[in-house]
Amino acid sequence: QKEVEQNSGPLSVPEGAIASLNCTYSDRGSQSFFWYRQYSGKSPELIMSIYSNGDKEDGRFTAQLNKASQYVSLLIRDSQPSDSATYLCAVNTGSGGSNYKLTFGKGTLLTVNP
Amino acid sequence: NAGVTQTPKFQVLKTGQSMTLQCAQDMNHNSMYWYRQDPGMGLRLIYYSASEGTTDKGEVPNGYNVSRLNKREFSLRLESAAPSQTSVYFCASSVAGGLETQYFGPGTRLTVL
Repeated sequence: QKEVEQNSGPLSVPEGAIASLNCTYSDRGSQSFFWYRQYSGKSPELIMSIYSNGDKEDGRFTAQLNKASQYVSLLIRDSQPSDSATYLCAVNTGSGGSNYKLTFGKGTLLTVNP
Repeated sequence: NAGVTQTPKFQVLKTGQSMTLQCAQDMNHNSMYWYRQDPGMGLRLIYYSASEGTTDKGEVPNGYNVSRLNKREFSLRLESAAPSQTSVYFCASSVAGGLETQYFGPGTRLTVL
């Protein structure tokens, strides 16, 4: 069973702080990694994708990938109340020519307090 | 450009009834997916279609069937609904494969009594 684990949360941070969300995965063959944000009652929307080791920055968001440690994280700088949502880590876990499957973690609920 | 659309948005069924959830995308994507989301369980893949004409089982396929009607449309059928199928169902699509971003529809909230 290929697994994706996230820190269970909930995570609460004050406005303006850095929120750190973590994810580990079991499949060493995984090649693509995604962070989705899901507001309550809504569908997941992509925030970041990352494919190579290191950091990838997009505005206030930074994704970090370490394939050796099988670890991917998302940092949100200058957190805003509008960032309050559940964050889902997703990892592709198909194999061979069938790398179509994404496995999702159970999500981390983030609350940013004004 | 509507992206991924799903119908219906809400549905209540009685145990044993059947229904079909509809999904369509207008992004010319090759791959389409059906997920269910339950509290504490995260998103779980039910079935997927890598390309038009192909379908494969995901993590939780029991009790469901799918049809890839054409490149745009991918339907999910519950032949005999059970209370355990009460969930929120999301359809998603991607250009091709798990290396690509998946885009999600708005979801269908299904209750089976």
